[in-house]
Amino acid sequence: GAGVSQSPSNKVTEKGKDVELRCDPISGHTALYWYRQSLGQGLEFLIYFQGNSAPDKSGLPSDRFSAERTGGSVSTLTIQRTQQEDSAVYLCASSYETGGGTDTQYFGPGTRLTVL
Amino acid sequence: QKEVEQNSGPLSVPEGAIASLNCTYSDRVSQSFFWYRQYSGKSPELIMSIYSNGDKEDGRFTAQLNKASQYVSLLIRDSQPSDSATYLCAVNDYGSGNTGKLIFGQGTTLQVKP
Repeated sequence: GAGVSQSPSNKVTEKGKDVELRCDPISGHTALYWYRQSLGQGLEFLIYFQGNSAPDKSGLPSDRFSAERTGGSVSTLTIQRTQQEDSAVYLCASSYETGGGTDTQYFGPGTRLTVL
Repeated sequence: QKEVEQNSGPLSVPEGAIASLNCTYSDRVSQSFFWYRQYSGKSPELIMSIYSNGDKEDGRFTAQLNKASQYVSLLIRDSQPSDSATYLCAVNDYGSGNTGKLIFGQGTTLQVKP
């Protein structure tokens, strides 16, 4: 079946502009995660959505970052007034969460964001 | 600050050898441990998960967990050039209340030389 999809695959923007990144999770997956991966680094957790629960926003680095998940499916990560340090690959993952902490997260291909 | 530590490498092994990748974590309440493989320019994919102390084998891969020492490792037997990738250790952030949340290490780059 279809995996996690993300768009755009690449985004180049100018400092100060706003960007929107989209994630389409695997159908039926209740949990959705956003991560950021800077060059040569591990994955940095940003935000987590699970069903109708309030999202865990504890990883968002500043108030310029926000995310929403509409209808329990598609999610959009918005970065306002982009800065050069926001340049990274933004990865989305989804899982069918059973609540036991053992669920496999399936990753999308990522969006490579470059802020000039 | 909860941490997951890995040696960034690169770890270089000859083809056919055993590659040993190590990971330590700081949060004693962590219950679930994962190894993801990430090829250059690609997204991570899960290769092993382990939840209980001891060894878990899957083909050429063996994950080892020692909760008392807060240590998890991945052994790759008969290493192949196609195993060359970055291996990310991830630990469930059980204490956060969100059981799905993972903390990732920075990854170890493995190079298998023909």
